[in-house]
Amino acid sequence: EAAVTQSPRSKVAVTGGKVTLSCHQTNNHDYMYWYRQDTGHGLRLIHYSYVADSTEKGDIPDGYKASRPSQENFSLILELASLSQTAVYFCASSRDNERLFFGHGTKLSVL
Amino acid sequence: GDSVTQTEGQVALSEEDFLTIHCNYSASGYPALFWYVQYPGEGPQFLFRASRDKEKGSSRGFEATYDKGTTSFHLRKASVQESDSAVYYCALGSSNTNKVVFGTGTRLQVLP
Repeated sequence: EAAVTQSPRSKVAVTGGKVTLSCHQTNNHDYMYWYRQDTGHGLRLIHYSYVADSTEKGDIPDGYKASRPSQENFSLILELASLSQTAVYFCASSRDNERLFFGHGTKLSVL
Repeated sequence: GDSVTQTEGQVALSEEDFLTIHCNYSASGYPALFWYVQYPGEGPQFLFRASRDKEKGSSRGFEATYDKGTTSFHLRKASVQESDSAVYYCALGSSNTNKVVFGTGTRLQVLP
């Protein structure tokens, strides 16, 4: 079974602080994705990547950066966290842009 | 851009009722279409997919048929159980951009 591990599982951050969410996959998948989940909005794509050292903007990239230093690792960076970025964040991987395997999510609270 | 619309935000049914959750999409070409299910405290899980017109996907008693004419991929199940209570997401895989775009989700509550 495919494995996607997110860390931390939950985090409390202060407004204006820097936050880094990490994702590690052991599936040998080329594609990795970051989504945020909010009530009423479902899952919205922030950034994605289909090769190491390259990232692409998703549908809501403003206020977020992404980094893919290796095939296995994909980070989401909030340089200046804001209240509106309080949400649950999911990382996913896939062999192509077909079946996605998700992590358990990171609950981020910005105060 | 590509998008997925789920019209029902919440659905409440009794056990053994028939389920329909509507999904319509907007995309060029022939995107792959998916259904995912999410249980509390977990990430979404793949349920099934379809990639061409009139193809039916199915799993665990759930099914949906790819309809390019009506740009739909409605989820159906003949007889729901309490254990089916979860959030269901329709999604599409863009053939142009490598994105996977999700709908807003439908929360299904099945009462015993």
